[in-house]
Amino acid sequence: KAGVTQTPRYLIKTRGQQVTLSCSPISGHRSVSWYQQTPGQGLQFLFEYFSETQRNKGNFPGRFSGRQFSNSRSEMNVSTLELGDSALYLCASSWTDRVSGANVLTFGAGSRLTVL
Amino acid sequence: AQKITQTQPGMFVQEKEAVTLDCTYDTSDPSYGLFWYKQPSSGEMIFLIYQGSYDQQNATEGRYSLNFQKARKSANLVISASQLGDSAMYFCAMREASSGTYKYIFGTGTRLKVLA
Repeated sequence: KAGVTQTPRYLIKTRGQQVTLSCSPISGHRSVSWYQQTPGQGLQFLFEYFSETQRNKGNFPGRFSGRQFSNSRSEMNVSTLELGDSALYLCASSWTDRVSGANVLTFGAGSRLTVL
Repeated sequence: AQKITQTQPGMFVQEKEAVTLDCTYDTSDPSYGLFWYKQPSSGEMIFLIYQGSYDQQNATEGRYSLNFQKARKSANLVISASQLGDSAMYFCAMREASSGTYKYIFGTGTRLKVLA
């Protein structure tokens, strides 16, 4: 079973540009979450989508947006990039552990964005 | 407000010895889940172990066990018989069941180095 796939893995942008990151969840998973990871702030929740609807959003400015398609694939977009947006962006889809009943996140390898 | 605290920025352990990584949490939700993830230098977050707030017994998963002390609000990860491949960042995380979403709160992480 294929894992969570994120593209691109690495990208470099300049201030003011915009970027779109893509995430394909594990087949059958309908929930996709996005996290930003930086050395200073750690892992911060961006948003979560379920069946094409945004179910929850973290404390990020409106420059950060996302969407989910009918096949559960998700994209996130960051407009008017700032230097502080340099980070590892992690996508995760959720599954339920049969033994514990826990809803567990499975993460992709991430998209590392550098803003110059 | 929910919060996860990991007070050990870095830890060293000799190969084949056991190590405990600390995690304390704060929540007012009686129903929650606690998770530990491992992040190697490659960047991908790997799920290790889960503990539900109503679980009576400590969770175990191979060499990983979770020392759950509910009254103290702590969920320490114990790794037995450390291996060189255990060198990585380790994150404690919590999800409140009442949130109705898959929003996780992560700690700042502990960097573990296993010495040969």
